[in-house]
Amino acid sequence: EDQVTQSPEALRLQEGESSSLNCSYTVSGLRGLFWYRQDPGKGPEFLFTLYSAGEEKEKERLKATLTKKESFLHITAPKPEDSATYLCAVQAKGTYKYIFGTGTRLKVLA
Amino acid sequence: NAGVTQTPKFQVLKTGQSMTLQCAQDMNHEYMSWYRQDPGMGLRLIHYSVGAGITDQGEVPNGYNVSRSTTEDFPLRLLSAAPSQTSVYFCASSSLSGRSQETQYFGPGTRLLVL
Repeated sequence: EDQVTQSPEALRLQEGESSSLNCSYTVSGLRGLFWYRQDPGKGPEFLFTLYSAGEEKEKERLKATLTKKESFLHITAPKPEDSATYLCAVQAKGTYKYIFGTGTRLKVLA
Repeated sequence: NAGVTQTPKFQVLKTGQSMTLQCAQDMNHEYMSWYRQDPGMGLRLIHYSVGAGITDQGEVPNGYNVSRSTTEDFPLRLLSAAPSQTSVYFCASSSLSGRSQETQYFGPGTRLLVL
């Protein structure tokens, strides 16, 4: 069964304190792994898509990496505006279904 | 370009009532989907569609119906609402062309309370 597990559930950082969020997955042939950001009361906003082990993508203070079993979202020198819930999802080959993790709630303190 | 729009933003229903959650997109996307989001459960796929006239079930389809008569619209119907359907519902769309196909754009959500 395809499954996505995110850790930690919640993370509090001081401004400038770098850290990483983890997304472990089990899927029968990975088509793509996706990271989203969700602010309270809003819909998820797309951040990255990763397709194969070893791939990396960056956007401002965020960097996503992918291995055969997990993905990391690295946050470098975070700012309070990076506070949000970060969601990870996978899509298996041959399907149009997306499986989401439960997310990591990030709070960055000034 | 409005992206993905959803109506209503908030709705209160009584058990047994029916209603339709509306979703529309103006990006000419082939793929549209409905999710529900519950505390501690993450986003769960209810139904999806890969084009007009084509729909399929997701992870939690029971109690919900969908249809796709046009590319733009993908309504979600609750035939007889139950308290267990209290949730936040999100509609999403994406293109099925090339590598951009996996970028899903989400609507702002509909908050549903069933009493």
